[in-house]
Amino acid sequence: AQSVTQLGSHVSVSEGALVLLRCNYSSSVPPYLFWYVQYPNQGLQLLLKYTTGATLVKGINGFEAEFKKSETSFHLTKPSAHMSDAAEYFCAVRSSGANSKLTFGKGITLSVRP
Amino acid sequence: GVTQSPTHLIKTRGQQVTLRCSSQSGHNTVSWYQQALGQGPQFIFQYYREEENGRGNFPPRFSGLQFPNDSSELNVNALELDDSALYLCASSLAVGSGYTFGSGTRLTVV
Repeated sequence: AQSVTQLGSHVSVSEGALVLLRCNYSSSVPPYLFWYVQYPNQGLQLLLKYTTGATLVKGINGFEAEFKKSETSFHLTKPSAHMSDAAEYFCAVRSSGANSKLTFGKGITLSVRP
Repeated sequence: GVTQSPTHLIKTRGQQVTLRCSSQSGHNTVSWYQQALGQGPQFIFQYYREEENGRGNFPPRFSGLQFPNDSSELNVNALELDDSALYLCASSLAVGSGYTFGSGTRLTVV
């Protein structure tokens, strides 16, 4: 079984400040890990993913995440928040099996203050 | 990309509904997710080359089809009020490649 925990439902930062969104996962097999962003009334857009190899993954819009196996974490960061980053962010885990599914966390709402 | 239709739908309790999805060209795997308000998406089922190969904790009145032309359907019978949600379709080229999501269909059951 696999699961994702996203601590806190809402994060608020000032424009230009560091963004840190936490994600911890549970998986019985080596996981594939994803971060998605959802803007109001829209579907999910892939920000970045970790499958194998380098544990620091860079994504779109200046976001990056680091896979830490020992901590079972995949936290999302961005050095400097922009107003356009305000959205809902979902962490997801998927096992490597052929019929595996994406399991999502409950999501974190990011607000950016001017 | 992935396109879904319709974008919004209102149905009455007890009715049946069909939601449609057109996958990204060449993607052989399609999945459907239900996203209730304020929640993360929940896996309904997945199809690989027109056969169901994974199912989440949803009752049999949720069913699906995948067609050879990169299209798929989600059917829900005997609609209940709790079925009101955003339904997302996602396609994938291969395991680990990441899913491409559509914009979803907002279903309201009254």
